[in-house]
Amino acid sequence: GQQLNQSPQSMFIQEGEDVSMNCTSSSIFNTWLWYKQDPGEGPVLLIALYKAGELTSNGRLTAQFGITRKDSFLNISASIPSDVGIYFCAGYPNTNAGKSTFGDGTTLTVKP
Amino acid sequence: DTAVSQTPKYLVTQMGNDKSIKCEQNLGHDTMYWYKQDSKKFLKIMFSYNNKELIINETVPNRFSPKSPDKAHLNLHINSLELGDSAVYFCASSPWGETQYFGPGTRLLVL
Repeated sequence: GQQLNQSPQSMFIQEGEDVSMNCTSSSIFNTWLWYKQDPGEGPVLLIALYKAGELTSNGRLTAQFGITRKDSFLNISASIPSDVGIYFCAGYPNTNAGKSTFGDGTTLTVKP
Repeated sequence: DTAVSQTPKYLVTQMGNDKSIKCEQNLGHDTMYWYKQDSKKFLKIMFSYNNKELIINETVPNRFSPKSPDKAHLNLHINSLELGDSAVYFCASSPWGETQYFGPGTRLLVL
């Protein structure tokens, strides 16, 4: 099956720092999604990307759909303590496949 | 109102028992899913239903049986529970395939 490599696995940063994480795949995806899972909750969608090269922002979060369609990046600027959680990327091969592949997650810890 | 709800939130049971987890979504979505999140936090899809029909069935033991009585409900029944079944189980729904809306999870502990 399709595999997504998400890195880094974990990050420990100081409040105010910027964060970057990425996802790579050996397969092409038509949609990239980024989710955040707060402790004790289910994942919640942050950003959806539908076009190669697309750059989309949601507040302090910015995500990019890689030009090769095999990768995606998520940046968080000026991190705050509530950014703590697990960030998952998910790739969707085409609009009719019905199944997305999730990365293994990046666990973010923000020290006040 | 909660969009995707699951019951129970916590489930502690003995090995060998049979248990069910229920999921309901009020978003009008056609597709529903079950995911398992293990202790390493990896999210693995188990099943997906579209309009009450099974469309994804990953390599999951036969002891796990999903049932979708209607578009808004997808339940998960587990027979003969084993220690390795301990995990958090998430239900999710989507309009079709892409953006998924997750429930709060059911924390299953098998003793």
